Formats: sequence, structure tokens, C-alpha cells
Amino acid sequence: DAMVIQNPRYQVTQFGKPVTLSCSQTLNHNVMYWYQQKSSQAPKLLFHYYDKDFNNEADTPDNFQSRRPNTSFCFLDIRSPGLGDAAMYLCATSRDRGGSKNIQYFGAGTRLSVL
Amino acid sequence: QKEVEQNSGPLSVPEGAIASLNCTYSDRGSQSFFWYRQYSGKSPELIMSIYSNGDKEDGRFTAQLNKASQYVSLLIRDSQPSDSATYLCAVKGAQKLVFGQGTRLTINP
Repeated sequence: DAMVIQNPRYQVTQFGKPVTLSCSQTLNHNVMYWYQQKSSQAPKLLFHYYDKDFNNEADTPDNFQSRRPNTSFCFLDIRSPGLGDAAMYLCATSRDRGGSKNIQYFGAGTRLSVL
Repeated sequence: QKEVEQNSGPLSVPEGAIASLNCTYSDRGSQSFFWYRQYSGKSPELIMSIYSNGDKEDGRFTAQLNKASQYVSLLIRDSQPSDSATYLCAVKGAQKLVFGQGTRLTINP
């Protein structure tokens, strides 16, 4: 019973061709996060939504955008993928944002390849 | 200085032994500490959380926290080959969860 579902699991795109990754959740959590993880590196937070409130990290390139049309779904749009954007993209959710005990639950990830 | 530091390994431990994984963090105001296990090509899976100084045990796993030393560790007793994975330490500051780069653990049969 997957609670955070990412689609597709694997995505291949061409250099410069826009791509959208999808995340859905059945937990009814307020917060949804997008992380980028490259090989042997820590997950890096790109941005998060607290309900409808979008929060971008200062060092996230403009090439990365996100949409959250409702509580259950969140999308990551990469407008013009470069070779350096090949990575695992992880979606996570948490019930709330503040507080010390909010746990983040991760989806299975989407591995993006850029040709 | 990185916000969350871990020895990247690889750490090699014989089956049945105790594996000890360590993590230090820089933000003294951090209140929440997590250990995630990540198998190759998979997403992180939460295995332990700890919020107060001392030890917290869950089955074969024990998390240890020392806020004065800004140090958190994970012990895995009776290590099994299925414990071979990368272990990510994550520390929650005011709002953001910050991950270390992970320690790659290999359990040798």
C-alpha cells in the first residue's frame, strides 16, 4: 500500500526537452517536498509546498518549477533539462512543516536520464 | 563545514557483528534526528528517529544522541547481509531536514 507514489519510475528525456515528474500521496499531508539526489550524494531539497504555499530553496535553478493543483498531487517540471540534471528525484511528504517530530515519508523516486 | 557530516565509508562488518555508524551536525538548535536506510537505486526509508539525549532502541537498531557533543549514532546489532545499504543521517533544524551524504555499509557473510 504505497502512500507516496511517484511516476514514472524511470524517465528518459532529450537535452532541452521539457519533462514533468509526478507525485501523489494518500496520507493527506500538508507538506510535499521535492529532492534531487545524485549518485553517492545527499538528497538536496529543491522546494516544498506547505498546503498551497510554494517555498523555493535559494540555490534551486530557475529551470526547476513545481505545481500543486490539489492536496494529493505535486509535479516537478524541468523546463530545459541539461546533462547535469540527470539524477534521482525524490518526492516526500510530512503532516506539517514545523515542530520537532514531523517525519518525512519518501516515494520510490524517479530516475531521470538526459540524452 | 558541512551541516551534517558522515564518514562515507565503505564500512565493512562481518555478519553477526555490531555495525556502528556516526554523524555530527553543526546546528546546535537542531531538535530532531533521523536515520534513513537507502538501498542502491531505491528511495530513503526511515528506520529510526530520536529527539532527546540518550539511547533509543528498536529491535536490532539503537540510536544514540548527544546534543552537547552534536553527535548522533546508529548501532546495528547482529548485522545481516540484508543490512547492506547506505545509511543517511538527517537533522531537522527550524524547518528544513538536512541530510548527510550517507555511509555505505557492507555486511560480509
